Parts: sequence; structure tokens; C-alpha cells
Amino acid sequence: EAGVTQFPSHSVIEKGQTVTLRCDPISGHDNLYWYRRVMGKEIKFLLHFVKESKQDESGMPNNRFLAERTGGTYSTLKVQPAELEDSGVYFCASSQGSGGSYEQYFGPGTRLTVT
Amino acid sequence: DQQVKQNSPSLSVQEGRISILNCDYTNSMFDYFLWYKKYPAEGPTFLISISSIKDKNEDGRFTVFLNKSAKHLSLHIVPSQPGDSAVYFCAAAGFQKLVFGTGTRLLVSP
Repeated sequence: EAGVTQFPSHSVIEKGQTVTLRCDPISGHDNLYWYRRVMGKEIKFLLHFVKESKQDESGMPNNRFLAERTGGTYSTLKVQPAELEDSGVYFCASSQGSGGSYEQYFGPGTRLTVT
Repeated sequence: DQQVKQNSPSLSVQEGRISILNCDYTNSMFDYFLWYKKYPAEGPTFLISISSIKDKNEDGRFTVFLNKSAKHLSLHIVPSQPGDSAVYFCAAAGFQKLVFGTGTRLLVSP
């Protein structure tokens, strides 16, 4: 069974540019989460999809971040325009169950560097 | 306002000895706790979990203890092996999302 995959693995962009991160969850997992880890700090929750619907987006930093999950399959996280403080590792995770599950499976992350 | 704290950024242990990683939380609404292990350039991998109605859960060399009154949990690894060297994250589950600590880097030396 394929795990959670994320693309790209690394992205270096200039301040003001746009970047789109992609996550493909484990097949059949209704729940998809985005997290971010900045500079060795804690891994912070950004948002949670159940199928194609946003269940909780309380962790999204501001309106420069836009997440979508087309057809309840893969998800994209767009940052536009990017700022220096957006640098970090963005993790995607997925889990089974319609009500959310505590055990979440993480992808390898996308390391975003904004210069 | 960090709800889950791992106060030890690093821990060094000799192979064969016990590793004890600690975690404190502040929100009594958390009802499930997990430990994740992370190698460089990889995502966190689920290790072991415990429900708030239990005080101990064991899986092979890994045991998690929960002290609800103290809002404290710990992960015991015994015996420790060099392959256990990684960053360990404590996470608390509530409202369908995970709240993570900052991680403890464990180094197990041969």
C-alpha cells in the first residue's frame, strides 16, 4: 500500500512569489491534514479536510494560504504571495474514518524556503 | 501558548539501557496521546498511543505511561538500540487534530 506522498520535496522561491504544494493521501482515507514545522519548533496544525470539505481551518496563518481538495482525493496548499516567515517544512497526513482518527499517517514533507 | 511541552530537547543513552522521554500537557480536554518518531528528511511515523482512560500501554520495547492528574506522559524504550536514534514527538489529540510538542532528539550510542 502506497503511503502519503508530497510534491515537491523541496521548493526555494523568492518573497512575493507563489508556490503550490501537493499531497496525495493514502487511498481510501477520507481525512487529510496539513501541518507545518518552522525552524525546529513544534509541528503545528493548519487544517483538516473530510473528503472535499474543510472541517477545520483554524490553524491557517492568514489569507495568503489557500487549501483545496479536489474531489476528495489529492490536496493542494497554495501560498500567495509568499513571505519569509512561511519558510518551513509542510507535512500532509491522512487517516481513515468519517469522524477523524487519532492515528494519522504522515508524508515526507515539503521543505519550503522563501528568500 | 504551547499546550504540549517536551522540555528536554535532547537525550543521550547507551545501547541496551532504558530511554525515558517525557511530555507535559496543559489541556485536560485531550483524550488521546501519541508518540511519533521522525528520522531526518522523513515524515513523522506513528509509534505508540494511549487513551486517556488508561495509564499504560505497551508494545514490544516501547511503553507509554500516562499520569492524568499530573498531565504528564512518558515513553520508555528498553532496551534502547542505535536504530532508535531519531526525534520523538509527543502529540495530544483533541477535536480531530493533533497538537505536537517540539520534539526530543534521542541518540543511542553503541
